[in-house]
Amino acid sequence: AQTVTQSQPEMSVQEAETVTLSCTYDTSENNYYLFWYKQPPSRQMILVIRQEAYKQQNATENRFSVNFQKAAKSFSLKISDSQLGDTAMYFCAFMKPGNFNKFYFGSGTKLNVKP
Amino acid sequence: GAVVSQHPSWVICKSGTSVKIECRSLDFQATTMFWYRQFPKQSLMLMATSNEGSKATYEQGVEKDKFLINHASLTLSTLTVTSAHPEDSSFYICSARGDLSYEQYFGPGTRLTVT
Repeated sequence: AQTVTQSQPEMSVQEAETVTLSCTYDTSENNYYLFWYKQPPSRQMILVIRQEAYKQQNATENRFSVNFQKAAKSFSLKISDSQLGDTAMYFCAFMKPGNFNKFYFGSGTKLNVKP
Repeated sequence: GAVVSQHPSWVICKSGTSVKIECRSLDFQATTMFWYRQFPKQSLMLMATSNEGSKATYEQGVEKDKFLINHASLTLSTLTVTSAHPEDSSFYICSARGDLSYEQYFGPGTRLTVT
């Protein structure tokens, strides 16, 4: 079974600064996908960034980037120039390609961006 | 991007009654839909996966007779909580996936309160 671990239940960062959220996972698969989702107070799940395991290059989306270390099974999220609107729960997720494409979610990290 | 809606967004029902939650894909055909449950300050827990026209596949520990899932068309899945009890109070989220991609799109969620 796949497991996803987020070891930081809560983090704080000052506005405009950079913060890194950690995520590790356990799998015997070689081909898979990794995601970071944001869940603001509205509770709508919003895709932040995704990474295909076969790609060596780290994914980036504007202020969001990942550090994907396949051998270490690590997938951290870096948020640069943090904004107040980044305040939310962040979930790391693993997906194994296949019939159902189920998500395996981590326990989440609550990020507080302070003015 | 693809849009998934849920109805209602919030429902209050009395203990012992049944309540139905709808999940619709508005601009794509959802061959697979997923139902999640989320308790406060916790992660999403997958309850079941449904393919259009087939019986749902339930995760271990989820009572299929209590949580009835129907995926009768390519744009609609329903979750019926039967004989609801206060411990069923939770936030229920659906997601949907089309045939051509592994991408899942999340609905905004439904808050169920059982009194």
